[in-house]
Amino acid sequence: DVKVTQSSRYLVKRTGEKVFLECVQDMDHENMFWYRQDPGLGLRLIYFSYDVKMKEKGDIPEGYSVSREKKERFSLILESASTNQTSMYLCASSPTSAAGELFFGEGSRLTVL
Amino acid sequence: AQSVTQPDIHITVSEGASLELRCNYSYGATPYLFWYVQSPGQGLQLLLKYFSGDTLVQGIKGFEAEFKRSQSSFNLRKPSVHWSDAAEYFCAVGDNFNKFYFGSGTKLNVKP
Repeated sequence: DVKVTQSSRYLVKRTGEKVFLECVQDMDHENMFWYRQDPGLGLRLIYFSYDVKMKEKGDIPEGYSVSREKKERFSLILESASTNQTSMYLCASSPTSAAGELFFGEGSRLTVL
Repeated sequence: AQSVTQPDIHITVSEGASLELRCNYSYGATPYLFWYVQSPGQGLQLLLKYFSGDTLVQGIKGFEAEFKRSQSSFNLRKPSVHWSDAAEYFCAVGDNFNKFYFGSGTKLNVKP
């Protein structure tokens, strides 16, 4: 089975802190994604990556950056956390077949105080 | 622009009753369509997907969905709901560039 692992399930940070959310997948998928999930808004794409060191902005990239140094690992970085970044963050991966399905991690719930 | 609409935010059904969750999409080409389920505190799990061919697709846990191009719909159905089906359900459309667009979700409550 495909496994997407997010290193932290729950985090509490203070405004202005730098936050790292780590995601690792074990199925050699080319594509990796970071989504933000908020009630009533569904999932919104922050960034995605289709290859090592490649990244593309999604719909809401402001305030976030990403890093993909290795194929299996995709990190989301909040350079200076703000309270409006309190949310559930979901990492996903997919193979590069025609619209290959997404495989999700269990999510990281971030609270910024 | 691609978009997905799930018009029902919350739905409550009795255990054993049938279920239909609605999904409408806007997409310029042949869509790749998905339904995902999210149990509380968990990530999303794929229920079923439609790429081409038979417009009625079967998924896991007894779910099925029907693609209707004329109505731009991909509704999810289950003939008899179980208490364990209580969760949030998301419809999504994928494009040829491996981007996915999600609806806002429908929360399903199941009454005993």
